Amino acid sequence: AQKITQTQPGMFVQEKEAVTLDCTYDTSDQSYGLFWYKQPSSGEMIFLIYQGSYDEQNATEGRYSLNFQKARKSANLVISASQLGDSAMYFCAMREFRSGNTPLVFGKGTRLSVIA
Amino acid sequence: DSGVTQTPKHLITATGQRVTLRCSPRSGDLSVYWYQQSLDQGLQFLIHYYNGEERAKGNILERFSAQQFPDLHSELNLSSLELGDSALYFCASSDGPGTGGYGYTFGSGTRLTVV
Repeated sequence: AQKITQTQPGMFVQEKEAVTLDCTYDTSDQSYGLFWYKQPSSGEMIFLIYQGSYDEQNATEGRYSLNFQKARKSANLVISASQLGDSAMYFCAMREFRSGNTPLVFGKGTRLSVIA
Repeated sequence: DSGVTQTPKHLITATGQRVTLRCSPRSGDLSVYWYQQSLDQGLQFLIHYYNGEERAKGNILERFSAQQFPDLHSELNLSSLELGDSALYFCASSDGPGTGGYGYTFGSGTRLTVV
């Protein structure tokens, strides 16, 4: 069974600083994908970044990068140059691709607060 | 606008009642997933439909049921509602059960309050 762990219920970061949100996962599958979603106070789920288990390079999308350490089963999200609009809940999620119909499994999330 | 439409956005109802939540997936997407987000449980997977067929079930209560229609829209039916069913219900879509890459596209959710 797959499992996602986010150990930081809440984080604070100063505006313009970088912040790392932790995520570890557990799976016995070799083929899987890791995702990060952002949920602002308005409630919608916004896709941020994806990393495939076979991708050799860490994924990057603008100010977001994913620090993928396969041996440690970690997939930390790094946000550079934090902005006030980054204040939100952040969810790490994973799905396994072995059978094709494994749903996304989410961690419990980290609430990020950016301070001016 | 993500392309996934959920209605209604807000719903307030009494215990014991029955409600139906509706989801229209993004154009071209055949898969619809339902998730429940409550304060203490995080995002919990409920059920997945692909092209009208049920593909996977998660922690869905027997009081809850879902279906996907030929036009690919989906409905989640919640009956004999309890206070603990109050939550944000998300629908998400993808172009197939085997989709890798970019996960799902989420709707804006239906906030259900049971009083």
